[in-house]
Amino acid sequence: QKEVEQNSGPLSVPEGAIASLNCTYSDRGSQSFFWYRQYSGKSPELIMSIYSNGDKEDGRFTAQLNKASQYVSLLIRDSQPSDSATYLCAPVGNQFYFGTGTSLTVIP
Amino acid sequence: NAGVTQTPKFRILKIGQSMTLQCTQDMNHNYMYWYRQDPGMGLKLIYYSVGAGITDKGEVPNGYNVSRSTTEDFPLRLELAAPSQTSVYFCASSRRTSGGPGSEQFFGPGTRLTVL
Repeated sequence: QKEVEQNSGPLSVPEGAIASLNCTYSDRGSQSFFWYRQYSGKSPELIMSIYSNGDKEDGRFTAQLNKASQYVSLLIRDSQPSDSATYLCAPVGNQFYFGTGTSLTVIP
Repeated sequence: NAGVTQTPKFRILKIGQSMTLQCTQDMNHNYMYWYRQDPGMGLKLIYYSVGAGITDKGEVPNGYNVSRSTTEDFPLRLELAAPSQTSVYFCASSRRTSGGPGSEQFFGPGTRLTVL
């Protein structure tokens, strides 16, 4: 079983819609969860971190964590073309794992 | 505060050549990492370091070597380059590991390497 599972996509949403990105992980020891955004040809950039069950909101971004289900998601409200990128999920426990990422395209 | 810097940005090597990818961070982070990312793929950990003088292998260490003589620098050495090492290489650093605030990794801009 892969440590981190993400739907590779591509996921396409119209401008202004909500984009929902999902991630499941296998390491029950994971305590921190990070979402990174990676534009084509660029390095990963941290956009959200979440450490406890529930929701965490930051601007248009909301991260949701359910440790019992080993599931973390990222919602992007009012999606913009500039949100088009690959989003990497990274749960952190004893090791730092990255998912392979979900490619998001926001259509104007 | 420049964060994590990497040089060079691009490099083309011939099979069998060697080179060193440079990585420097100015955030006083103890932990540093080298990843490779093949087209359309995720990040694979090559080597990591928990402090000056201490390094350990990651998932794909074969064909690479590292050293960590200072907190700031973590160079990656490629010996006898092979076409399979064509990839984008990212260096990253973090203040701590094992979860919690401060364990997030910060990435350099990457080095795009082609081996012909």
